[in-house]
Amino acid sequence: GAVVSQHPSRVICKSGTSVKIECRSLDFQATTMFWYRQFPKKSLMLMATSNEGSKATYEQGVEKDKFLINHASLTLSTLTVTSAHPEDSSFYICSARKGGEDGYTFGSGTRLTVV
Amino acid sequence: GNSVTQMEGPVTLSEEAFLTINCTYTATGYPSLFWYVQYPGEGLQLLLKATKADDKGSNKGFEATYRKETTSFHLEKGSVQVSDSAVYFCALRSNQGGKLIFGQGTELSVKP
Repeated sequence: GAVVSQHPSRVICKSGTSVKIECRSLDFQATTMFWYRQFPKKSLMLMATSNEGSKATYEQGVEKDKFLINHASLTLSTLTVTSAHPEDSSFYICSARKGGEDGYTFGSGTRLTVV
Repeated sequence: GNSVTQMEGPVTLSEEAFLTINCTYTATGYPSLFWYVQYPGEGLQLLLKATKADDKGSNKGFEATYRKETTSFHLEKGSVQVSDSAVYFCALRSNQGGKLIFGQGTELSVKP
């Protein structure tokens, strides 16, 4: 149990366009989802925490207007990178926590390349 | 604030060698501590965890002991295999259900 599906796994987009990344909990209801960004040879940087039905909580330094997070249901959270630029190229990973439990399940990540 | 520091990688070992990856943390209170593993092209998987001082987490031959006196949670394995090649992340969580704070990751490469 506890599977998180992240889609797409890879995406290439043109500078100035927007990209949406989906994170789905397949066999459990995720009351909380986390979005991370991973730089090469670097750790995972937490971008934001989203709770179903409420606004996401962004970490300091993360532009909320650029990285739009929606957690409209207990099984789906989306991250939209708006007006993408080459410096947004990175590996984005989501994580979901089942309500009432302490474990975290991670998606397999999305490699975003902005050209 | 809370933070996690891991030893720099990459670490290259021969098969059956002993592995230690150091991890130290800074946190208020009594955090829970974790080791996650990331295989190439995949997301993170929980390897082991410890929730209080002196607890030992273990899984797949890996072990780590929560040492409050030295604020450490070093990962060890007595005999590594090629299949253990991956990036290992140490992490802490300061409260139940809260966010995870990760170290920078340590890449392990095991040669036959």
